[in-house]
Amino acid sequence: GESVGLHLPTLSVQEGDNSIINCAYSNSASDYFIWYKQESGKGPQFIIDIRSNMDKRQGQRVTVLLNKTVKHLSLQIAATQPGDSAVYFCAGMYSGGGADGLTFGKGTHLIIQP
Amino acid sequence: DTAVSQTPKYLVTQMGNDKSIKCEQNLGHDTMYWYKQDSKKFLKIMFSYNNKELIINETVPNRFSPKSPDKAHLNLHINSLELGDSAVYFCASSQVPNTEAFFGQGTRLTVV
Repeated sequence: GESVGLHLPTLSVQEGDNSIINCAYSNSASDYFIWYKQESGKGPQFIIDIRSNMDKRQGQRVTVLLNKTVKHLSLQIAATQPGDSAVYFCAGMYSGGGADGLTFGKGTHLIIQP
Repeated sequence: DTAVSQTPKYLVTQMGNDKSIKCEQNLGHDTMYWYKQDSKKFLKIMFSYNNKELIINETVPNRFSPKSPDKAHLNLHINSLELGDSAVYFCASSQVPNTEAFFGQGTRLTVV
């Protein structure tokens, strides 16, 4: 099975600074990864995804880096804003393995300080 | 319009009761899921359902059963509720299996 975990449960950054959230996974067969953002009282919301044939993907203010050698991925958020405060989850799966859904990490609570 | 909607949003019930949570998606997706999020925010898949194929996480007690009347709905039935069932339950859907999943707002179940 897949095991996806995060290094830090809580990350506190100053508004305007960049933040980096890290994630490690154990199943080397995983080939698809997603970062989700969950605000209080809401469901997880898709931020960005990356497939194993890539090592970097950029979105609006977010960048995901994938290092398959060490089975690690990270989410970089540029110029953090108060609205970025949330719990961030990485999730992984083997896309050819049947309808078994995503395996989620434990989540990192990102706190933006004014 | 809400893409994935669950009802109720909050559910408080006594131990031993049987309850259901409904889920509907209007995205035309083929695959639906149920996840359980515990008090530590850990999300764990319970079921996935695709074209009438049900895949069950083996750790889920058989008191939990999904019911899919059609492709747009996947309801969760829970029998003989226990205190440990208290959690937030999320429904989700994806176009095809193992791609980006869209989540509902969650149902907070409290068993007393």
